[in-house]
Amino acid sequence: ETGVTQTPRHLVMGMTNKKSLKCEQHLGHNAMYWYKQSAKKPLELMFVYSLEERVENNSVPSRFSPECPNSSHLFLHLHTLQPEDSALYLCASSQDRHGYTFGSGTRLTVV
Amino acid sequence: GIQVEQSPPDLILQEGANSTLRCNFSDSVNNLQWFHQNPWGQLINLFYIPSGTKQNGRLSATTVATERYSLLYISSSQTTDSGVYFCAFDNYGQNFVFGPGTRLSVLP
Repeated sequence: ETGVTQTPRHLVMGMTNKKSLKCEQHLGHNAMYWYKQSAKKPLELMFVYSLEERVENNSVPSRFSPECPNSSHLFLHLHTLQPEDSALYLCASSQDRHGYTFGSGTRLTVV
Repeated sequence: GIQVEQSPPDLILQEGANSTLRCNFSDSVNNLQWFHQNPWGQLINLFYIPSGTKQNGRLSATTVATERYSLLYISSSQTTDSGVYFCAFDNYGQNFVFGPGTRLSVLP
């Protein structure tokens, strides 16, 4: 257990569904992140929340919508996804952008 | 933007062998870490090492920030060391960027 918990571990959803990924950190960190890992590609940063303020990666489609209600919780809301969005989604946290800790990830399959 | 390169891309070892993985980065470093990703996708932090040398059991790492590289040493490798090793770093004010990884297979 790393101190960053992600749920669910696996998710299968249809292209018309709406679902949410959840991340919770128990480390007292002040920044949280969503990363996407597709097959044969490097990890890509999607979103950054620092002190609950969002710094957005402009290349992320609007069908991905993050939410950070407080410094310990981070959500990724998904709607009308495409099959190419199937990937491993990893949440991380850090303190002042030092020492990143990752969760176990959610393996998402869009059918 | 900042860039990270890793070599070799793939490495196959016999159990008990030693290895060195290399990470080159494009700018001055604020934060540098080595991670191991196991077959289930879990990213485990191995070292936080923006400079200097650290050791943890059979693993050690060295970062020479002035020359913009970091090395991860694995000694007496075991089959459980198999997986992908990532180097990631950021410059001050930039986002944390991952390299492409080195895929390690340790054979019994």
